[in-house]
Amino acid sequence: DQQVKQNSPSLSVQEGRISILNCDYTNSMFDYFLWYKKYPAEGPTFLISISSIKDKNEDGRFTVFLNKSAKHLSLHIVPSQPGDSAVYFCAASGSNYQLIWGAGTKLIIKP
Amino acid sequence: SAVISQKPSRDICQRGTSLTIQCQVDSQVTMMFWYRQQPGQSLTLIATANQGSEATYESGFVIDKFPISRPNLTFSTLTVSNMSPEDSSIYLCSVRTGGPNNEQFFGPGTRLTVL
Repeated sequence: DQQVKQNSPSLSVQEGRISILNCDYTNSMFDYFLWYKKYPAEGPTFLISISSIKDKNEDGRFTVFLNKSAKHLSLHIVPSQPGDSAVYFCAASGSNYQLIWGAGTKLIIKP
Repeated sequence: SAVISQKPSRDICQRGTSLTIQCQVDSQVTMMFWYRQQPGQSLTLIATANQGSEATYESGFVIDKFPISRPNLTFSTLTVSNMSPEDSSIYLCSVRTGGPNNEQFFGPGTRLTVL
């Protein structure tokens, strides 16, 4: 049973436009959500996170939105840059602090 | 943050052999994990490496296949035993430093190909 789902395996966005990556979860006990970015041949790097008590967290070009009632979160990148091309993973954690990962979305920024 | 290094960065191995992957962290950390990312799939937690005691394995992973050592708070090893082509994957070491964002930091990974 996939508790964290990223239904889009890939997304292509024009440089300068907004990239929106989506993530859905099923476990209402998750209280922390994180986004990671991964380049080929490298480990994932932490991008941004959000606690379940918030609905929005912003850090520069990156904003994460959380809709608890829909069990949905999204990562917005604006403006998108060529260096943003990577695989983005959504992850969730509960009281045991273990991370449950989505399958990832490959973001391609077109020049 | 934490800086994590892994050795080897990649290897090609024969079926039936074993490979030990090393993970070194630049600071003492309590929680250390080993993940696997098979081609086209997400990260899967293999086990939590506990300092001074046996690792805690996730469902589907056993100590005989993936023995783990954690002799201190900055170092761990993962051995992939009696390898088969299905073990071809990227193996990642990860640590949690206890920061407010519940962040985890990852090593660069070890790309393993089993022939």
